[in-house]
Amino acid sequence: QKEVEQDPGPLSVPEGAIVSLNCTYSNSAFQYFMWYRQYSRKGPELLMYTYSSGNKEDGRFTAQVDKSSKYISLFIRDSQPSDSATYLCAMMGGSQGNLIFGKGTKLSVKP
Amino acid sequence: NAGVTQTPKFQVLKTGQSMTLQCAQDMNHNSMYWYRQDPGMGLRLIYYSASEGTTDKGEVPNGYNVSRLNKREFSLRLESAAPSQTSVYFCASSEGNRGYQETQYFGPGTRLLVL
Repeated sequence: QKEVEQDPGPLSVPEGAIVSLNCTYSNSAFQYFMWYRQYSRKGPELLMYTYSSGNKEDGRFTAQVDKSSKYISLFIRDSQPSDSATYLCAMMGGSQGNLIFGKGTKLSVKP
Repeated sequence: NAGVTQTPKFQVLKTGQSMTLQCAQDMNHNSMYWYRQDPGMGLRLIYYSASEGTTDKGEVPNGYNVSRLNKREFSLRLESAAPSQTSVYFCASSEGNRGYQETQYFGPGTRLLVL
């Protein structure tokens, strides 16, 4: 089993939809959880960062961490065509001192 | 601030040729990283440097060497390129040391094609 699992999609939604992106993980020592957004032919950019369990909101974006289920989510409200990108989850903690990335989910928001 | 910069943007090599990918950051970060990104494989860590003068292997180090030239610069060298090294290479940097928050900031990438 991979340490971090992420459905690669692609996921296509109409403009204005609520998008839910998810990752599962196996290492219970992970404490730091991040979401990166990567536009086509660009480098990943940090979108959201959370520590341990709970929710974090930033504008239209909400990140959730459920450590008991080893499951993290990113919600995008009122999705826009400019949100079309690949979203990568990443996490670290415990003896794993480096970030472990999911494979990314490709999202397309249609006008 | 330019953040993390990488050169070249694109390179074509023949099998067996060598080249060095350059990376520089102007954020005074301690740690720097090299990743490769392949379809269906996600981002995989090649090498990292937690501080000037130190380097460590990541998940996929074979066929690569690195040099942390100073605090700003971290280069990746392919001594004898192979088609399996065709990929997009990303350099990243982070402020803290290992074991602490490691929010990483990425460069724009180098696309490498090995024929």
